[in-house]
Amino acid sequence: AQSVTQPDIHITVSEGASLELRCNYSYGATPYLFWYVQSPGQGLQLLLKYFSGDTLVQGIKGFEAEFKRSQSSFNLRKPSVHWSDAAEYFCAVVPFSGSARQLTFGSGTQLTVLP
Amino acid sequence: GAGVSQTPSNKVTEKGKYVELRCDPISGHTALYWYRQSLGQGPEFLIYFQGTGAADDSGLPNDRFFAVRPEGSVSTLKIQRTERGDSAVYLCASSPRRGGTDTQYFGPGTRLTVL
Repeated sequence: AQSVTQPDIHITVSEGASLELRCNYSYGATPYLFWYVQSPGQGLQLLLKYFSGDTLVQGIKGFEAEFKRSQSSFNLRKPSVHWSDAAEYFCAVVPFSGSARQLTFGSGTQLTVLP
Repeated sequence: GAGVSQTPSNKVTEKGKYVELRCDPISGHTALYWYRQSLGQGPEFLIYFQGTGAADDSGLPNDRFFAVRPEGSVSTLKIQRTERGDSAVYLCASSPRRGGTDTQYFGPGTRLTVL
């Protein structure tokens, strides 16, 4: 079955440390890949997206993600985390083929940043 | 410019009542999506409009849920005979076109509580 998996429910890092959030997908063909962030009381905001081409994608707020076809993964990274990065992060996909246009989300990773 | 807006921000109702949730998309966006987010979960797709018509309503859980977009702009999600299990945050998103690569812009959501 088609699915998006975020294995880590909750991650805690210290401010200034590096961050990697994992995302794996299970689709017949590589889907379109997205990372969204959701802060308390805020709507979902797009961090970055990948459709094709360079497998390292740069996004907003200093985030980047790397697409690895062999691992069916699209992990989100940031070299140095800021306290304001504390939020919930969602990986999402849109299938490459077919008529579906809606996003299918993973269950999210809650990020806590320690001072 | 103005983003996606949703009203009300919070709605408390009693089991069995009827509710309407409103979404104002970004001006000019032709595609509009409704998602539902339960506590601790990622958003789940409900219905997608392209213009005035529902292009995909496969995510609506049952016939108590209905949505309209009569003029191709504002959309209303309608829930009849509400049940406690309908309690969730209902998110609306819009995008400029209908392509799978389009960024979906999300509103802040309506938190529905069914007592």
